[in-house]
Amino acid sequence: DTAVSQTPKYLVTQMGNDKSIKCEQNLGHDTMYWYKQDSKKFLKIMFSYNNKELIINETVPNRFSPKSPDKAHLNLHINSLELGDSAVYFCASSLGPRGYIQYFGAGTRLSVL
Amino acid sequence: KNEVEQSPQNLTAQEGEFITINCSYSVGISALHWLQQHPGGGIVSLFMLSSGKKKHGRLIATINIQEKHSSLHITASHPRDSAVYICAVRETSGSRLTFGEGTQLTVNP
Repeated sequence: DTAVSQTPKYLVTQMGNDKSIKCEQNLGHDTMYWYKQDSKKFLKIMFSYNNKELIINETVPNRFSPKSPDKAHLNLHINSLELGDSAVYFCASSLGPRGYIQYFGAGTRLSVL
Repeated sequence: KNEVEQSPQNLTAQEGEFITINCSYSVGISALHWLQQHPGGGIVSLFMLSSGKKKHGRLIATINIQEKHSSLHITASHPRDSAVYICAVRETSGSRLTFGEGTQLTVNP
């Protein structure tokens, strides 16, 4: 069983579309994260939820909206996609918000045409 | 300037060589993480440390809190060690990780 699973693995879409990426973890962790990795492979935190509560909200456009229906799921919805949104998006989870190793999903490669 | 700097950016080694990747940071931290990103893109946590040294197989991670510096060592390197190695720090004041830009390691047979 995959510990942190993201879907889809690849997403190719047109500018202006709205898309969602889903993430689920079966580790019983309380904390989940979304990261963006740009073309230079630089990872940056976008959001983090702890027990369904938003605890990290970095400076990202309002077009990005995370949703955590329960502790095991953290979805990322992106409105009005732009070319600059093309990147690999990683979901991760950890036992708690501080002092714990993070477990990463396999990533979702988003290409906006 | 990044809060987390790694060196070198790229490293090519021959199989069997001892490898060192360095990470320096400029903020107060509660923990430092070393991650490995495989050529296929997957990310794996290797170590989390806040002091001293940790060892797992051929991998050793050390940290010097006073000098704000950590090293990742790989002994008897192997082509399967080829990956991007990423250093990340958790600041004392917060819960987010700040990442270095990664070190691309290539080990040739």
